[in-house]
Amino acid sequence: EAGVAQSPRYKIIEKRQSVAFWCNPISGHATLYWYQQILGQGPKLLIQFQNNGVVDDSQLPKDRFSAERLKGVDSTLKIQPAKLEDSAVYLCASSHGLAGMDEQFFGPGTRLTVL
Amino acid sequence: AQRVTQPEKLLSVFKGAPVELKCNYSYSGSPELFWYVQYSRQRLQLLLRHISRESIKGFTADLNKGETSFHLKKPFAQEEDSAMYYCALSWITGFQKLVFGTGTRLLVSP
Repeated sequence: EAGVAQSPRYKIIEKRQSVAFWCNPISGHATLYWYQQILGQGPKLLIQFQNNGVVDDSQLPKDRFSAERLKGVDSTLKIQPAKLEDSAVYLCASSHGLAGMDEQFFGPGTRLTVL
Repeated sequence: AQRVTQPEKLLSVFKGAPVELKCNYSYSGSPELFWYVQYSRQRLQLLLRHISRESIKGFTADLNKGETSFHLKKPFAQEEDSAMYYCALSWITGFQKLVFGTGTRLLVSP
């Protein structure tokens, strides 16, 4: 099966600019996750979708970050305006979303550098 | 709060030596523990999960609820084992939640 796709792979912006990331999960996966991974740390969940509904966005900085999952398939994550501390790798993952403990499948990530 | 601790940032061993990557967790319920691995220039992927009790690429991990640990072990390290390893804790509160440790870089030298 095709894996999770993300674009762009790299992005460099200046602080206060806006940026958007795109994710296409594995076909048929109901659950989609966005993680932020700062250098030297493990992935931190930003937002989790079940189909096109948000089930957890408790760690999403909602004053500047937003995400949507149209039609329960693709998803976009936006940062507006960006800060220096947003420099990180943004990972998208998906899972079947069945009951129980699913394996998560990860995309290659988008490396964001904020100058 | 649920937390995963990986005390070693870097573990350096020689080929053929035994390897143990430490993972401790804090969770009062019934956890599911995972080890994820990221090889150079590859994406993060599942290595093993405790519920399956499998040995993957020679690695095993035993859940010790008394010590709240889930250490990853391999008796004889290979150079291709060099990678970043993340321990992760999962639980369900209406939906699945997953929290990762900070990771341990394993470097296996010839």
